[in-house]
Amino acid sequence: DIQMTQSPSSVSASVGDRVTITCRASQDISTWLAWYQQNPGKAPKLLIYAASSLQSGVPSRFSGSGSGTDFTLTISSLQPEDFASYYCQQSYTFPYTFGQGTKLEIK
Amino acid sequence: EVQLVQSGAEVKKPGESLKISCKASGYSFTYNWIGWVRQMPGKGLEWMGIIYPRDSDTRYSPSFQGQVTISADKSISTAYLQWSGLKASDTAMYYCARLTSGCGDFWGQGTLVTVSS
Repeated sequence: DIQMTQSPSSVSASVGDRVTITCRASQDISTWLAWYQQNPGKAPKLLIYAASSLQSGVPSRFSGSGSGTDFTLTISSLQPEDFASYYCQQSYTFPYTFGQGTKLEIK
Repeated sequence: EVQLVQSGAEVKKPGESLKISCKASGYSFTYNWIGWVRQMPGKGLEWMGIIYPRDSDTRYSPSFQGQVTISADKSISTAYLQWSGLKASDTAMYYCARLTSGCGDFWGQGTLVTVSS
């Protein structure tokens, strides 16, 4: 299986801050990488697919980059509704695998 | 509008069987893979398996192979996840998701399964 490693596992930030979360794959996955947001008690929501494509309806403050094994999710200016958990997921080959998650907390 | 509606929460005893469902609407059910994801209490997300409803091609993650069965009934646009002998360690939230290019673009609301004696 392809292992996905996210960092950090948690981060504290303030409204208006710029935040970057990284994800590393254990092998080359080209751009087969997605990012999800999950609020407590809710289903995950797809934010980014194909490493850098913004899912319909997702605010433009979210952006993704990377290819191969190293990827980033950036939130350019944090809004109150962005404090949630974030997961990366490789869709290069099944079994698809998620990173362990990053919890974004209010400072 | 694409929607996935899951069956309600379940409380079961160890050893019991269970089948939960995920009813799709708003798109052509047969032409997208559907996947199931487990989230244990306070933990991350895990893909359990996926099914292509058009021909019922099913794939399981190694951790879940032999532990669960995934099926689909295309006549009623519904996917299923079932257990034949539940364990306490199966206590979790289970989500279904429609897959597009391997990404879950639409998700069900989740089904909480609690297994306790």
